Amino acid sequence: RKEVEQDPGPFNVPEGATVAFNCTYSNSASQSFFWYRQDCRKEPKLLMSVYSSGNEDGRFTAQLNRASQYISLLIRDSKLSDSATYLCAVKAAGNKLTFGGGTRVLVKP
Amino acid sequence: DAGITQSPRHKVTETGTPVTLRCHQTENHRYMYWYRQDPGHGLRLIHYSYGVKDTDKGEVSDGYSVSRSKTEDFLLTLESATSSQTSVYFCAISESVSGTGGTEAFFGQGTRLTVV
Repeated sequence: RKEVEQDPGPFNVPEGATVAFNCTYSNSASQSFFWYRQDCRKEPKLLMSVYSSGNEDGRFTAQLNRASQYISLLIRDSKLSDSATYLCAVKAAGNKLTFGGGTRVLVKP
Repeated sequence: DAGITQSPRHKVTETGTPVTLRCHQTENHRYMYWYRQDPGHGLRLIHYSYGVKDTDKGEVSDGYSVSRSKTEDFLLTLESATSSQTSVYFCAISESVSGTGGTEAFFGQGTRLTVV
């Protein structure tokens, strides 16, 4: 089993709609959680850190469920520019940082 | 943008030759990571470093070695390149040595390596 798993998608989303997807992790001792965005042929860029109480940044909301060992990302009012691959990352003890395979999101007019 | 520079940005090399990729940071971050990214596999950790001369293996370390002789440089070496090592390689850094800031990682622009 992979340490961090994501649904590869693609999630085809109408412009203006809401989309949500999860990322599961296997190491219960994981300490920090992140969502990254990656555009085609570019480096991943931090979208947001995920805090225990959940957090929101504009149209993006991240949640952490430690009991079920997953994090989630919700995008409201999707824009065409939100089309990208979204990577979750989990940091365990020793600062080993592991990524999921990414979820591809395609926002269509 | 975080001060991370990868070099070279593109390289074509022949099977069996040694190759060294360099990651240079100006952020004085403690942790440095090397990943490879291939279609269908996402980002896979090759090696990472938690300080000068302190390194550890990731999930796909076979065929790769690393060195970190100073805080700002993390080198990835393919001792004898194979076609299966054709990939895009990303370096990342996290956590200031001073302890300020968060724990998130920032990435270099990547090195596209082709082994023919």
